[in-house]
Amino acid sequence: GAGVSQSPRYKVAKRGQDVALRCDPISGHVSLFWYQQALGQGPEFLTYFQNEAQLDKSGLPSDRFFAERPEGSVSTLKIQRTQQEDSAVYLCASSEPRRSATNEKLFFGSGTQLSVL
Amino acid sequence: AQSVSQHNHHVILSEAASLELGCNYSYGGTVNLFWYVQYPGQHLQLLLKYFSGDPLVKGIKGFEAEFIKSKFSFNLRKPSVQWSDTAEYFCAVRTNAGKSTFGDGTTLTVKP
Repeated sequence: GAGVSQSPRYKVAKRGQDVALRCDPISGHVSLFWYQQALGQGPEFLTYFQNEAQLDKSGLPSDRFFAERPEGSVSTLKIQRTQQEDSAVYLCASSEPRRSATNEKLFFGSGTQLSVL
Repeated sequence: AQSVSQHNHHVILSEAASLELGCNYSYGGTVNLFWYVQYPGQHLQLLLKYFSGDPLVKGIKGFEAEFIKSKFSFNLRKPSVQWSDTAEYFCAVRTNAGKSTFGDGTTLTVKP
C-alpha cells in the first residue's frame, strides 16, 4: 500500500487479556517506531527498530509490553495482561533510509485505538 | 531527557486571522525540529521541519516556523488561516537518529 497500515483500527479488551497490534510500514522503510498517545496528549515514544534490530525500547512502560519485527518489515506490538491504563491510541511510524538528514521524516499510520474495560 | 512544551492547548480563530503557535524545547545540544498536523479523521503528517541552515522554515499550505536557538523555540506561524486549517498541531524534537519527543499538541479551530 501507499502508506503505513495498522490493524485492527479499534480493539476492545477485557482487563487481563493479551492483545497484539500490527503495523505494516511503507515498503523499503528501514526505521519503524511505536508511539502511545493517551487522550489529550502527544505521542509518547515506546520503541524503535532499524530493520529487524530493536535499537531502543526505553519507552516501553513495563515488561508487559513487547515488540518485534522479525523480518525487518511488519512489526507487532504485544501487550500482555492488559490494564485500564493501557487504553490509548497506539501509533506506528516508519521512515525511509537516511540518504541525507533533510530527507528523513516520519510517516504515521492511523493508529489502533485500544480500550481496556 | 528532552521535553517539548506547547503553550496553547486550544486556539480559536476566525478565518483570515494570523496564527502563531508556541513551542519550546529543553535540550542543550543539536536538535532537529518538526511540526506535525493531524486533520480530523486523518493520520499525523509532517507540516515542516528544521535540520540546519536558514532558521526560517517554510512548509506546506503557507505555514512557516522560526527556530530561535537562544530561546529554545520553534514557533509555528501562518499569516491568514483558513477553515481547512482546523486540526491538531504537534511540535516535536529529535536529538539523535531515533526517537522524537512530541508536545501535547494544540487544537486549532478556525471559524468560517
